[in-house]
Amino acid sequence: DVKVTQSSRYLVKRTGEKVFLECVQDMDHENMFWYRQDPGLGLRLIYFSYDVKMKEKGDIPEGYSVSREKKERFSLILESASTNQTSMYLCASSLLGGVTGELFFGEGSRLTVL
Amino acid sequence: GENVEQHPSTLSVQEGDSAVIKCTYSDSASNYFPWYKQELGKRPQLIIDIRSNVGEKKDQRIAVTLNKTAKHFSLHITETQPEDSAVYFCAGGVGGGSNYKLTFGKGTLLTVNP
Repeated sequence: DVKVTQSSRYLVKRTGEKVFLECVQDMDHENMFWYRQDPGLGLRLIYFSYDVKMKEKGDIPEGYSVSREKKERFSLILESASTNQTSMYLCASSLLGGVTGELFFGEGSRLTVL
Repeated sequence: GENVEQHPSTLSVQEGDSAVIKCTYSDSASNYFPWYKQELGKRPQLIIDIRSNVGEKKDQRIAVTLNKTAKHFSLHITETQPEDSAVYFCAGGVGGGSNYKLTFGKGTLLTVNP
């Protein structure tokens, strides 16, 4: 089974703090993604990476950055957390290069910014 | 960019009835349409998908239909069971690599009452 592991299930941070969300996949997948999930808004793509050291903006990249130094690891960084970044963050990976590749999601990281 | 609209946002059915969830998309270039199911507290998982060269696809009790001319696609669940209760997300997309573009709908909360 594909395993996508997110390092933290629950985090509570203060406004202005720097936040790191880590994601590791164990199936040698090329693509990795960070989504944000909010009630009534569905899944919105923040950033994605189709290769090591490559990164592309998704639909809502403002306030976020990412890092992919190794194929299996994709990190989401909030440089200065704000209360409107309180949300559930889902990491995903896929094997195939195009949209037809099945997305395998992690369990999610619920971030609360006070 | 692509805009995917999903209706209804909530759906309640009696066990054994059928459930239909509808999505429309805006980008005529989109050629791949997956459906993901997210049970409460769990990660989204792919349940069925359809490509633009196919009009209908079935897998046991679930089916998806696609009307390219009207730019809409639907998920049909027959003989619903309590374990079908979940949030369902449709998505539409095209491309790969740096041109990857998959957009999700806002989700439908399906409740199957015993």
